[in-house]
Amino acid sequence: DAKTTQPTSMDCAEGRAANLPCNHSTISGNEYVYWYRQIHSQGPQYIIHGLKNNETNEMASLIITEDRKSSTLILPHATLRDTAVYYCIVREFTYNTDKLIFGTGTRLQVFP
Amino acid sequence: NAGVTQTPKFQVLKTGQSMTLQCAQDMNHEYMSWYRQDPGMGLRLIHYSVGAGITDQGEVPNGYNVSRSTTEDFPLRLLSAAPSQTSVYFCASRPPLGRGETQYFGPGTRLLVL
Repeated sequence: DAKTTQPTSMDCAEGRAANLPCNHSTISGNEYVYWYRQIHSQGPQYIIHGLKNNETNEMASLIITEDRKSSTLILPHATLRDTAVYYCIVREFTYNTDKLIFGTGTRLQVFP
Repeated sequence: NAGVTQTPKFQVLKTGQSMTLQCAQDMNHEYMSWYRQDPGMGLRLIHYSVGAGITDQGEVPNGYNVSRSTTEDFPLRLLSAAPSQTSVYFCASRPPLGRGETQYFGPGTRLLVL
């Protein structure tokens, strides 16, 4: 079973910030939070990941709560091309295993 | 680099037929994996491999076989296709540990089993 819960869908106006929440209350200490997105039916595209600290890259920012039970992906200036399904994923990662446990994701619709 | 490539892009099978979905990467990635995605659902892990000669089962392995004879290739075999295997199949790979921890996905193979 997926270890994350996300809202089914969200809307965002073009140019505004999109804030996508995710709950992962059962996350363990060595598990990372990853975000991927899937545009139409293409292969998932990596966005960002984090363990404890907030992270930022050229695509997005990731805010993780201090207790690590939830996080928020922020797209600072959403565009129409950001319309996609966004997956919040807990990554079970050891030397011999690397499992991305997908949930059903949030369908983000960016409108003009 | 071509990245992760998958063939074919589309396939229609009859129940009971067998086929192999091909996956290749030219990035010298040790870790490779197969996922399936049913309509409206997230991806589920079928099998994975941490290197040539080593494979292991994921979340939904039944009905699928894999082998890893080279670093580049990780084929997925359906020995006797069933309608329940109608899905989109994605292959992914990851760099060696310490050189990046992101999994990269291929474009997918859409399979219909009648």
